[in-house]
Amino acid sequence: GAGVSQSPRYKVAKRGQDVALRCDPISGHVSLFWYQQALGQGPEFLTYFQNEAQLDKSGLPSDRFFAERPEGSVSTLKIQRTQQEDSAVYLCASSRPGLETGELFFGEGSRLTVL
Amino acid sequence: SQQGEEDPQALSIQEGENATMNCSYKTSINNLQWYRQNSGRGLVHLILIRSNEREKHSGRLRVTLDTSKKSSSLLITASRAADTASYFCATDPGGYQKVTFGTGTKLQVIP
Repeated sequence: GAGVSQSPRYKVAKRGQDVALRCDPISGHVSLFWYQQALGQGPEFLTYFQNEAQLDKSGLPSDRFFAERPEGSVSTLKIQRTQQEDSAVYLCASSRPGLETGELFFGEGSRLTVL
Repeated sequence: SQQGEEDPQALSIQEGENATMNCSYKTSINNLQWYRQNSGRGLVHLILIRSNEREKHSGRLRVTLDTSKKSSSLLITASRAADTASYFCATDPGGYQKVTFGTGTKLQVIP
């Protein structure tokens, strides 16, 4: 596609519900990143894929957070038993192949509100 | 945790003035990037400077990098109301490592 696509753009969940956020990166982009952005803050790293391999998941806040990219393209970030502190914008970014990550192309984000 | 810290946190200037934002980071880098984010939108890449470069220009943007001080600055010349946004620096350590972002500077350009 023309750009990174994320869905849903907005999600309201009741505390305790599970949510799934989808990211469709730019075709051919090998690297895929997930970030969490709280209001007024910078993006905080969650996890990083190179093709289907999850190379770094050190930023996932708890074992309630899980990300996958089974075929090296579309990625899903799943949050189980959502809590109010999970409310944030979840940003996905992809980049071209190469040892240097270089420019990240971001989607518009998925805004999650947990009530 | 954020790798970079930017200052000022917020900046308000008149249209036509220059805006300077600073970024300090903690660990060694392969390159440093600057991004812009309009309210409610995703981030857009502005410029990338490699660790062996000291200065780079792109249109009205000028970026400097001082690896000995672990700092960078972004200068926007002749600002426009449309430059109103948040600006973030991001550090790339190289290899297959994560890119981490700073805390951001919120710029307001008053027409």
